[in-house]
Amino acid sequence: AQTVTQSQPEMSVQEAETVTLSCTYDTSESDYYLFWYKQPPSRQMILVIRQEAYKQQNATENRFSVNFQKAAKSFSLKISDSQLGDAAMYFCAYRPVGATNKLIFGTGTLLAVQP
Amino acid sequence: NAGVTQTPKFQVLKTGQSMTLQCAQDMNHEYMSWYRQDPGMGLRLIHYSVGAGITDQGEVPNGYNVSRSTTEDFPLRLLSAAPSQTSVYFCASSYGRNGEAFFGQGTRLTVV
Repeated sequence: AQTVTQSQPEMSVQEAETVTLSCTYDTSESDYYLFWYKQPPSRQMILVIRQEAYKQQNATENRFSVNFQKAAKSFSLKISDSQLGDAAMYFCAYRPVGATNKLIFGTGTLLAVQP
Repeated sequence: NAGVTQTPKFQVLKTGQSMTLQCAQDMNHEYMSWYRQDPGMGLRLIHYSVGAGITDQGEVPNGYNVSRSTTEDFPLRLLSAAPSQTSVYFCASSYGRNGEAFFGQGTRLTVV
């Protein structure tokens, strides 16, 4: 069975600094998708970034980028120039190809941004 | 464009009561899912549907029923609520087998 592990329950970063959130996963599949979701206090689940396993290039969305290491089954999220609005719970998630319903989530990392 | 709408947003139930959490989407998405979110456990899949009339179980289906009579709606039923079902419930929908999941705002359910 696939699993997703986030080993950092809480992280803190100073405004304008860079922070990296860790995620590892376990799967026997060769093709799959990985995601980072942001959940602010409003509870809304917001897709931050998506990585397709067959693409070697790391995904980037503005200040958010990932370090995807397929062999190591590692998928970390880097947030550059952190802003107060980045404070939220961040979830790493895995999804098999062709199974759009079946997201498997990690336990989350609560990120605090200090002014 | 409403997206995925869940009602109610908050609910308190007594043990043994039944209720239905509503989920509706207006994007003509084939795929819909229900997840529950518990502290320290992330989101876990309860039930999902790949189209009207087709549903299947996820990781934690016990105590919940679903049906999908239309493309738009995917209600989640608790037949006899238990304190262990206290959680935040999310409905999600997506288009196609590899489409992005769109989430509703969640329902916070407390069973006392």
